[in-house]
Amino acid sequence: DTGVSQNPRHKITKRGQNVTFRCDPISEHNRLYWYRQTLGQGPEFLTYFQNEAQLEKSRLLSDRFSAERPKGSFSTLEIQRTEQGDSAMYLCASSSLSSNTQYFGPGTRLTVL
Amino acid sequence: AQTVTQSQPEMSVQEAETVTLSCTYDTSESDYYLFWYKQPPSRQMILVIRQEAYKQQNATENRFSVNFQKAAKSFSLKISDSQLGDAAMYFCAYRSGNSGGGADGLTFGKGTHLIIQP
Repeated sequence: DTGVSQNPRHKITKRGQNVTFRCDPISEHNRLYWYRQTLGQGPEFLTYFQNEAQLEKSRLLSDRFSAERPKGSFSTLEIQRTEQGDSAMYLCASSSLSSNTQYFGPGTRLTVL
Repeated sequence: AQTVTQSQPEMSVQEAETVTLSCTYDTSESDYYLFWYKQPPSRQMILVIRQEAYKQQNATENRFSVNFQKAAKSFSLKISDSQLGDAAMYFCAYRSGNSGGGADGLTFGKGTHLIIQP
């Protein structure tokens, strides 16, 4: 069990560019979550998958954001036309169906210049 | 919507002493889960302890214990025999006991920065 992994760990991009992050959950975890954390704040829920189905999206997830989990394993989060306000740590977490505990990855820090 | 409040932005404690971090929450639900997560400077969020609302007994994990007061909607974390490795941001989090409708995501407080004085 290698835990939740996220790539890349750091991403610097220019405003207006598209970026994509990847999350690999703990194997056999059916549920996968994305959160955003800005400096000095707690994480904020963005979206949630159960297997390949995206079951919930927060109002924080604007039209520029899209997430997929095509085979019910890894997930990607894409941000189109990045803005400086998108600069944050993007956290992924996973859990099994039988547990209410979410296990977090190390996060991807995005800096938009 | 549920809210989680951590009123202590920063706490400091001497090594080997005991410290209590506060957390209050607001909900109209009767079935839910509460968590304390630790986020060291490396930024990986680590689960410290969890509490099911239907359980009256306070959860304990080694040096970490909670004081869960359901009527007061309070969920404090006590760290006994503080160690240098306990230094981190501590987040209190709430999860609904109902599935769907956004209930599966965690609602976090703003965190408490814990400093351990050697």
